[in-house]
Amino acid sequence: GQNIDQPTEMTATEGAIVQINCTYQTSGFNGLFWYQQHAGEAPTFLSYNVLDGLEEKGRFSSFLSRSKGYSYLLLKELQMKDSASYLCAPLDSNYQLIWGAGTKLIIKP
Amino acid sequence: IAGITQAPTSQILAAGRRMTLRCTQDMRHNAMYWYRQDLGLGLRLIHYSNTAGTTGKGEVPDGYSVSRANTDDFPLTLASAVPSQTSVYFCASSEQVSSGANVLTFGAGSRLTVL
Repeated sequence: GQNIDQPTEMTATEGAIVQINCTYQTSGFNGLFWYQQHAGEAPTFLSYNVLDGLEEKGRFSSFLSRSKGYSYLLLKELQMKDSASYLCAPLDSNYQLIWGAGTKLIIKP
Repeated sequence: IAGITQAPTSQILAAGRRMTLRCTQDMRHNAMYWYRQDLGLGLRLIHYSNTAGTTGKGEVPDGYSVSRANTDDFPLTLASAVPSQTSVYFCASSEQVSSGANVLTFGAGSRLTVL
């Protein structure tokens, strides 16, 4: 079956660094997406990885290891506005996104 | 402003009633999707459309129907609403159904309560 595993909730301090892990099992693989979702709002696109390695985009970076079925999202210089849920979503062989339940990130001053 | 418009934003509905959630995009995206999001669960795909004139069933299609008469519109219909369909519904679109072009743009969501 298809399965996504990511922590339910994480807490971090403003200005710090946090890493949100995601492990996945899918029928085929065509890349992995990370989305951010603030409470009461729609998800918005953060990053896409299709090859192994690190993709950096400003304060956010995303890593992929296809052989391990593993990805992480790294957030640096945390700001209060980064408090949100972060959704890991691999793309399966039919190009359908398989969504994890998301990791709720709480930033404390 | 380019994007996706969903209506209504929120609705309370009696069980057994018929309801259509509207979704319109102005980005000329080929693919469109309907998801539901429930507390503690990931987004679950209800129906999708890879291009105008075609539709497909997602993970949880029972009790829902869709149509895609043109590129822009993708309405979702609940023929006879039941309380388990209480959820937040998101419409989304993407340029193509392929790897890099599958970045989804979401509408603001429709919160539906079935009593």
